[in-house]
Amino acid sequence: KNEVEQSPQNLTAQEGEFITINCSYSVGISALHWLQQHPGGGIVSLFMLSSGKKKHGRLIATINIQEKHSSLHITASHPRDSAVYICAVRSGSARQLTFGSGTQLTVLP
Amino acid sequence: NAGVTQTPKFQVLKTGQSMTLQCAQDMNHEYMSWYRQDPGMGLRLIHYSVGAGITDQGEVPNGYNVSRSTTEDFPLRLLSAAPSQTSVYFCASSYSVLGNTEAFFGQGTRLTVV
Repeated sequence: KNEVEQSPQNLTAQEGEFITINCSYSVGISALHWLQQHPGGGIVSLFMLSSGKKKHGRLIATINIQEKHSSLHITASHPRDSAVYICAVRSGSARQLTFGSGTQLTVLP
Repeated sequence: NAGVTQTPKFQVLKTGQSMTLQCAQDMNHEYMSWYRQDPGMGLRLIHYSVGAGITDQGEVPNGYNVSRSTTEDFPLRLLSAAPSQTSVYFCASSYSVLGNTEAFFGQGTRLTVV
Protein backbone atom coordinates (compact mmCIF):
# COMPACT_ATOMS: atom_id res chain seq x y z
CA LYS A 1 0.00 0.00 0.00
CA ASN A 2 1.51 3.30 -1.09
CA GLU A 3 0.45 6.20 1.11
CA VAL A 4 1.67 8.70 -1.46
CA GLU A 5 0.21 8.72 -4.96
CA GLN A 6 1.50 10.88 -7.78
CA SER A 7 -0.13 11.67 -11.10
CA PRO A 8 0.54 11.50 -13.88
CA GLN A 9 3.28 8.87 -13.96
CA ASN A 10 4.57 10.22 -17.26
CA LEU A 11 4.10 13.63 -18.80
CA THR A 12 5.32 15.01 -22.12
CA ALA A 13 4.98 18.71 -22.83
CA GLN A 14 6.07 21.24 -25.40
CA GLU A 15 8.49 23.95 -24.40
CA GLY A 16 6.62 26.90 -22.91
CA GLU A 17 3.65 24.92 -21.60
CA PHE A 18 2.32 25.20 -18.06
CA ILE A 19 2.81 21.93 -16.20
CA THR A 20 1.07 20.51 -13.17
CA ILE A 21 2.11 17.42 -11.22
CA ASN A 22 -0.15 16.17 -8.47
CA CYS A 23 0.50 14.39 -5.19
CA SER A 24 -2.12 12.89 -2.88
CA TYR A 25 -1.44 11.33 0.48
CA SER A 26 -3.54 9.38 2.93
CA VAL A 27 -2.16 10.28 6.36
CA GLY A 28 -1.75 13.43 8.39
CA ILE A 29 1.61 14.99 7.71
CA SER A 30 4.05 17.40 9.27
CA ALA A 31 5.78 18.25 6.00
CA LEU A 32 5.68 17.54 2.28
CA HIS A 33 8.74 17.61 0.05
CA TRP A 34 9.07 18.01 -3.69
CA LEU A 35 12.29 16.60 -5.11
CA GLN A 36 13.86 16.60 -8.57
CA GLN A 37 15.94 13.78 -10.03
CA HIS A 38 17.80 14.29 -13.31
CA PRO A 39 18.79 11.28 -15.44
CA GLY A 40 21.89 9.65 -14.05
CA GLY A 41 22.06 12.21 -11.30
CA GLY A 42 21.26 12.67 -7.69
CA ILE A 43 18.15 13.98 -6.02
CA VAL A 44 17.71 17.64 -5.21
CA SER A 45 15.19 19.15 -2.84
CA LEU A 46 12.96 21.74 -4.54
CA PHE A 47 10.46 22.59 -1.83
CA MET A 48 9.48 21.67 1.67
CA LEU A 49 6.08 22.89 2.81
CA SER A 50 3.49 22.27 5.45
CA SER A 51 0.88 24.81 4.39
CA GLY A 52 0.02 27.31 1.69
CA LYS A 53 2.23 27.98 -1.27
CA LYS A 54 5.90 28.45 -2.12
CA LYS A 55 7.50 29.86 -5.25
CA HIS A 56 11.02 29.61 -6.57
CA GLY A 57 11.65 30.99 -10.03
CA ARG A 58 9.31 29.20 -12.44
CA LEU A 59 8.35 26.56 -9.90
CA ILE A 60 5.36 26.84 -7.59
CA ALA A 61 4.29 24.32 -4.96
CA THR A 62 0.93 24.36 -3.22
CA ILE A 63 -0.57 22.20 -0.53
CA ASN A 64 -4.12 21.72 0.72
CA ILE A 65 -3.93 20.07 4.12
CA GLN A 66 -7.67 19.42 4.37
CA GLU A 67 -7.78 17.65 1.00
CA LYS A 68 -4.40 15.92 1.57
CA HIS A 69 -3.19 17.12 -1.80
CA SER A 70 -0.24 19.02 -3.20
CA SER A 71 0.61 20.27 -6.66
CA LEU A 72 3.87 21.25 -8.31
CA HIS A 73 3.52 23.74 -11.14
CA ILE A 74 6.14 24.69 -13.70
CA THR A 75 5.49 27.84 -15.70
CA ALA A 76 7.05 28.41 -19.14
CA SER A 77 8.52 24.90 -19.19
CA HIS A 78 11.93 24.31 -20.73
CA PRO A 79 13.71 21.14 -21.91
CA ARG A 80 16.10 21.45 -18.96
CA ASP A 81 13.08 20.85 -16.70
CA SER A 82 12.99 17.27 -17.99
CA ALA A 83 13.47 15.09 -14.93
CA VAL A 84 11.65 12.86 -12.48
CA TYR A 85 9.72 14.82 -9.87
CA ILE A 86 9.15 13.07 -6.57
CA CYS A 87 6.73 13.86 -3.79
CA ALA A 88 7.55 12.73 -0.25
CA VAL A 89 5.75 13.19 3.05
CA ARG A 90 6.72 13.02 6.67
CA SER A 91 3.75 11.97 8.77
CA GLY A 92 3.43 13.27 12.29
CA SER A 93 6.39 12.16 14.37
CA ALA A 94 7.53 9.53 11.85
CA ARG A 95 11.27 9.15 11.58
CA GLN A 96 11.19 8.71 7.84
CA LEU A 97 9.89 10.08 4.61
CA THR A 98 7.37 8.15 2.51
CA PHE A 99 7.93 8.65 -1.19
CA GLY A 100 5.71 8.63 -4.22
CA SER A 101 6.90 6.68 -7.25
CA GLY A 102 7.70 9.84 -9.19
CA THR A 103 6.51 11.63 -12.32
CA GLN A 104 8.72 11.47 -15.39
CA LEU A 105 8.52 14.84 -17.16
CA THR A 106 9.83 15.32 -20.67
CA VAL A 107 9.76 18.79 -22.18
CA LEU A 108 10.28 18.85 -25.94
CA PRO A 109 11.88 21.83 -27.70
CA ASN B 1 30.72 22.66 0.92
CA ALA B 2 30.46 19.11 -0.46
CA GLY B 3 27.06 18.22 1.04
CA VAL B 4 26.45 14.46 0.89
CA THR B 5 29.12 12.39 -0.84
CA GLN B 6 28.51 8.82 -1.91
CA THR B 7 31.02 6.37 -3.30
CA PRO B 8 31.22 4.49 -5.58
CA LYS B 9 28.87 5.77 -8.29
CA PHE B 10 28.74 2.41 -10.04
CA GLN B 11 29.48 -1.13 -8.86
CA VAL B 12 29.06 -4.63 -10.25
CA LEU B 13 29.17 -7.51 -7.78
CA LYS B 14 28.94 -11.23 -8.10
CA THR B 15 26.35 -13.07 -6.05
CA GLY B 16 27.71 -13.74 -2.59
CA GLN B 17 30.29 -10.96 -2.58
CA SER B 18 30.24 -8.31 0.10
CA MET B 19 30.90 -4.61 -0.20
CA THR B 20 30.47 -1.29 1.58
CA LEU B 21 28.78 1.79 0.12
CA GLN B 22 30.28 4.91 1.62
CA CYS B 23 28.33 8.01 2.63
CA ALA B 24 29.72 11.15 4.21
CA GLN B 25 28.21 14.55 4.97
CA ASP B 26 29.92 17.74 6.09
CA MET B 27 26.87 19.62 7.37
CA ASN B 28 26.91 18.26 10.93
CA HIS B 29 23.53 16.65 10.36
CA GLU B 30 22.09 14.38 13.02
CA TYR B 31 19.89 12.30 10.75
CA MET B 32 21.30 10.08 8.01
CA SER B 33 19.54 7.40 6.02
CA TRP B 34 19.94 4.92 3.20
CA TYR B 35 17.30 4.31 0.53
CA ARG B 36 17.02 2.04 -2.44
CA GLN B 37 15.22 3.07 -5.62
CA ASP B 38 13.69 0.44 -7.87
CA PRO B 39 11.77 0.97 -11.13
CA GLY B 40 8.13 1.94 -10.60
CA MET B 41 8.52 2.24 -6.85
CA GLY B 42 9.19 5.10 -4.52
CA LEU B 43 12.41 5.25 -2.56
CA ARG B 44 12.33 2.76 0.28
CA LEU B 45 14.16 3.21 3.55
CA ILE B 46 16.78 0.60 4.37
CA HIS B 47 18.36 1.89 7.59
CA TYR B 48 18.64 5.20 9.32
CA SER B 49 20.55 6.86 12.13
CA VAL B 50 19.54 9.72 14.44
CA GLY B 51 23.06 10.33 15.69
CA ALA B 52 26.47 8.77 16.24
CA GLY B 53 26.12 5.33 17.77
CA ILE B 54 22.38 5.08 17.05
CA THR B 55 20.94 3.17 14.11
CA ASP B 56 17.60 1.60 13.34
CA GLN B 57 15.94 -0.45 10.64
CA GLY B 58 13.74 0.96 7.94
CA GLU B 59 11.28 -0.70 5.62
CA VAL B 60 13.68 -3.08 3.80
CA PRO B 61 16.67 -3.82 6.08
CA ASN B 62 17.31 -7.49 5.29
CA GLY B 63 20.73 -8.16 3.78
CA TYR B 64 22.17 -4.81 4.86
CA ASN B 65 24.13 -3.58 7.87
CA VAL B 66 24.98 -0.07 8.97
CA SER B 67 27.00 1.64 11.66
CA ARG B 68 27.43 5.27 12.72
CA SER B 69 30.71 5.72 14.53
CA THR B 70 30.96 9.43 13.66
CA THR B 71 28.45 12.15 12.85
CA GLU B 72 29.89 12.49 9.34
CA ASP B 73 29.92 8.89 8.08
CA PHE B 74 27.19 6.33 7.56
CA PRO B 75 28.39 3.32 5.55
CA LEU B 76 26.02 0.67 4.21
CA ARG B 77 27.32 -2.90 4.07
CA LEU B 78 25.98 -5.63 1.86
CA LEU B 79 26.82 -8.85 3.62
CA SER B 80 26.30 -11.37 0.80
CA ALA B 81 25.05 -9.72 -2.37
CA ALA B 82 22.01 -11.15 -4.13
CA PRO B 83 20.51 -10.22 -7.53
CA SER B 84 17.49 -8.80 -5.67
CA GLN B 85 19.80 -6.11 -4.32
CA THR B 86 20.38 -4.73 -7.80
CA SER B 87 19.15 -1.17 -7.38
CA VAL B 88 20.15 2.45 -7.12
CA TYR B 89 21.10 3.41 -3.58
CA PHE B 90 20.83 6.89 -2.13
CA CYS B 91 22.20 8.26 1.08
CA ALA B 92 20.46 11.28 2.60
CA SER B 93 20.93 13.55 5.57
CA SER B 94 19.03 16.27 7.37
CA TYR B 95 19.61 18.48 10.37
CA SER B 96 16.91 16.82 12.42
CA VAL B 97 14.82 13.70 12.14
CA LEU B 98 11.68 15.53 13.08
CA GLY B 99 10.04 18.67 11.93
CA ASN B 100 10.35 20.60 8.76
CA THR B 101 13.98 20.14 7.83
CA GLU B 102 15.30 19.90 4.30
CA ALA B 103 16.69 16.58 3.12
CA PHE B 104 20.00 16.45 1.23
CA PHE B 105 20.76 13.50 -1.03
CA GLY B 106 23.93 12.01 -2.42
CA GLN B 107 24.43 11.36 -6.13
CA GLY B 108 23.46 7.71 -5.84
CA THR B 109 25.22 4.38 -6.33
CA ARG B 110 24.05 2.15 -9.16
CA LEU B 111 24.65 -1.44 -8.02
CA THR B 112 24.30 -4.49 -10.22
CA VAL B 113 24.53 -7.98 -8.74
CA VAL B 114 25.12 -10.72 -11.28
